[in-house]
Amino acid sequence: QVQLVQSGAEVKKPGASVKVSCKASGYTFTSYGISWVRQAPGQGLEWMGWISAYNGNTNYAQKLQGRVTMTTDTSTSTAYMELRSLRSDDTAVYYCARVTRASPIDYWGQGTLVTVSS
Amino acid sequence: QPVLTQSSSASASLGSSVKLTCTLSSGHSSYIIAWHQQQPGKAPRYLMKLEGSGSYNKGSGVPDRFSGSSSGADRYLTISNLQSEDEADYYCETWDSNTHWVFGGGTKLTVL
Repeated sequence: QVQLVQSGAEVKKPGASVKVSCKASGYTFTSYGISWVRQAPGQGLEWMGWISAYNGNTNYAQKLQGRVTMTTDTSTSTAYMELRSLRSDDTAVYYCARVTRASPIDYWGQGTLVTVSS
Repeated sequence: QPVLTQSSSASASLGSSVKLTCTLSSGHSSYIIAWHQQQPGKAPRYLMKLEGSGSYNKGSGVPDRFSGSSSGADRYLTISNLQSEDEADYYCETWDSNTHWVFGGGTKLTVL
């Protein structure tokens, strides 16, 4: 069965960076992409960006351009999302999700809580 | 890029039916969307992919009580025989050819 297993919760200080991992199993990793989505406390879902696991192409949400980098390691079927220059309003649960260019999200990771606090 | 609009809240009685709406912005009425359910404290769960024709494909394990339909720019999620576990936030999602995804603001469903 398809599974996306994310790394554990993180606490970071303002200005620091965080890197969240998402290990995929149960399907051919390079046949899909990964979208990253975050949810601030009490808020809705916000799309952060997408990466193709096939060729590494990316597309980031405009508001995060310059602060976010998404990568994949096909040898371990793992996707990564790094967010730099963290601010308090980056405090959120971060989700990875499986997508293709021609279909919506069909599987979600369990989420990773990132807390930014001094 | 498309914009998705959802009502912020809805309520219905246990055992009844409810129809949630997701409206696509002008010029995007043919877009395929997906519906996701997020129960309190949990990750979202994919429910179904819904086309403009009204054809839908549900995710693995999604009960028969969940169905989809479409009319113009509106995409609907109908939940029949409401159960207490259906109390959740429901989000619609779509994407465009530029590999840009977008979510609606979500509807909080209360089961009375």
